[in-house]
Amino acid sequence: IVMTQSPATLSVSPGERATLSCRASQGISSNLAWYQQKPGQAPRLLLYGASTRATGVPARFSGSGSGTEFTLTISSLQSEDFAVYYCQQYNNWPQTFGQGTKVEI
Amino acid sequence: EVQLVESGGGLVQPGRSLRLSCAASGFIFGDYAMHWVRQAPGKGLEWVSGITWNSGSIVYADSVKGRFTISRDNAKKILYLQMNSLRTEDTALFYCAKDKYADSSGYIVDWGQGTLVTVSS
Repeated sequence: IVMTQSPATLSVSPGERATLSCRASQGISSNLAWYQQKPGQAPRLLLYGASTRATGVPARFSGSGSGTEFTLTISSLQSEDFAVYYCQQYNNWPQTFGQGTKVEI
Repeated sequence: EVQLVESGGGLVQPGRSLRLSCAASGFIFGDYAMHWVRQAPGKGLEWVSGITWNSGSIVYADSVKGRFTISRDNAKKILYLQMNSLRTEDTALFYCAKDKYADSSGYIVDWGQGTLVTVSS
């Protein structure tokens, strides 16, 4: 399953809303996770089941979608949110990641 | 607290082999599926391989199939990745990762800090 994220780079000002997209090449139900990665760090789980926040993830992060189209929304960007975001399907093994969206100031 | 500590990375010539290890602590290792994920310098994440709790299901990415072998020792709480016939394009930071569940239905919840593999002559 090929995961395609858009855009590759998103330029946003602090306090603004960011919307990231992820598309699967075939239906994956809601078996989608989102990860955040900051420079020099391992990825961090943000959302699973397309829309359920992981423990400790702020409410400004939300997810939606099912089947082949998914969205990650950050309602009001904070300075610590500037990072690269990856979607990942776990509907089937081999699991696959999107190529990432870099959210920059 | 879940801890995953990778080791075994280093500089290796093309065509040679390397074995990575991941020592797990802070959870019941044998109750969870495990994964290897890699990231080439400046690139995105690539899922490499996964293994269920009892090694009953093992899957590889096409890019490593036939060259890499994942295994686990539940008694020692260690995950392995045997990498043979290494290529320059295998150069990456290799992460060990823990699944939410024991079987192949879950997602990655915890990550190690990675071990760097550099394939170069």
